[in-house]
Amino acid sequence: GAGVSQSPSNKVTEKGKDVELRCDPISGHTALYWYRQSLGQGLEFLIYFQGNSAPDKSGLPSDRFSAERTGGSVSTLTIQRTQQEDSAVYLCASLPSASSYNSPLHFGNGTRLTVT
Amino acid sequence: AQSVTQLGSHVSVSEGALVLLRCNYSSSVPPYLFWYVQYPNQGLQLLLKYTSAATLVKGINGFEAEFKKSETSFHLTKPSAHMSDAAEYFCAVSSNAGGTSYGKLTFGQGTILTVHP
Repeated sequence: GAGVSQSPSNKVTEKGKDVELRCDPISGHTALYWYRQSLGQGLEFLIYFQGNSAPDKSGLPSDRFSAERTGGSVSTLTIQRTQQEDSAVYLCASLPSASSYNSPLHFGNGTRLTVT
Repeated sequence: AQSVTQLGSHVSVSEGALVLLRCNYSSSVPPYLFWYVQYPNQGLQLLLKYTSAATLVKGINGFEAEFKKSETSFHLTKPSAHMSDAAEYFCAVSSNAGGTSYGKLTFGQGTILTVHP
């Protein structure tokens, strides 16, 4: 597609349920990033994937958060046993590669997660 | 470790007035610096970036920023504000450690710009 696509755009879930958020990066982009935007914490890096390399998970806030990227394209961010503090906008971004310093980081419009 | 501080969570200017949004950074290695804009209910859009070339960087929509190493600053300016500039602006830094973490950004808390007639 023309840009980074995220789905769903909005998700409301009950505390304790698991959720999956999807990101479809720009075609051909090998680097994929997840960020979280919340009122209390601002914009935070969560995880990134570069090709077939092991992902950099250094920003994941707890072991309830995980992400995978199958086939080097679509990525899924999974939050298990959701808590109210997980409520945030989850943003996905992609680059042609993780070393593409001359390319802008392309962001999707995000998934707004509300945990009730 | 790196960090970004944006001075002023809210800035209000009149249409036609100078826009100045402040950003200071901390980085143990030469940084890459960025300004992003976020319009309501939209994703982040890159305004401009500094990647160790010219210290005065020009971006889209008439914005520019100057990298000042001695002051560890990267303030965003625009000579004349338009109503359409109303949005939230984020300054961000990347260390690009090892040449493979260019997209791993540390963001400031954001500055909401209001433009009034």
